[in-house]
Amino acid sequence: GAVVSQHPSWVICKSGTSVKIECRSLDFQATTMFWYRQFPKQSLMLMATSNEGSKATYEQGVEKDKFLINHASLTLSTLTVTSAHPEDSSFYICSASPRGGYTFGSGTRLTVV
Amino acid sequence: EDQVTQSPEALRLQEGESSSLNCSYTVSGLRGLFWYRQDPGKGPEFLFTLYSAGEEKEKERLKATLTKKESFLHITAPKPEDSATYLCAVQAGGGTSYGKLTFGQGTILTVHP
Repeated sequence: GAVVSQHPSWVICKSGTSVKIECRSLDFQATTMFWYRQFPKQSLMLMATSNEGSKATYEQGVEKDKFLINHASLTLSTLTVTSAHPEDSSFYICSASPRGGYTFGSGTRLTVV
Repeated sequence: EDQVTQSPEALRLQEGESSSLNCSYTVSGLRGLFWYRQDPGKGPEFLFTLYSAGEEKEKERLKATLTKKESFLHITAPKPEDSATYLCAVQAGGGTSYGKLTFGQGTILTVHP
């Protein structure tokens, strides 16, 4: 089946630094990748939609300059959290849609200290 | 605006005690309704996609049904390994919501042996 590989699984960083999260589609080409954020005991909230070779589309209230998304190839999309602060601590999950369904990565737990 | 409401928020069952989870939705042109299972610290795992009212799908102890306003996830004779958060999501059919999933808050299911 379609697999989306997400790395790292968890990361701890100091406040003010940047963190990059990668999502790769292993056995299919993902022209579109969706990025979600999930706070404890809450559901998934869509942050942005990235399309290969073009600018990402951000949801209302999501800071474009803080959450940089790059979708440079059909198999790789990255999310960079810039100048991270403790309030950015969350669970970040990517998703792609092969053949009409939606496959999710395993998620990245980001803790900013 | 697309909305998904799941109930109950949490459900505790004894092993073998069947029950149902509810997902009520409002969406501008339903393209698909999705059920996922999410274990702590992991990404959502696909269970079912339903496309039209009256449709039903089954997988082991789980059965999903769909009406024009809601979906049910029936769990028959659950086992402790069925303990997880169950997420419902809808995909709208057009406009600016095209391709995006809107998630409910989830139902935390705990099955006691």
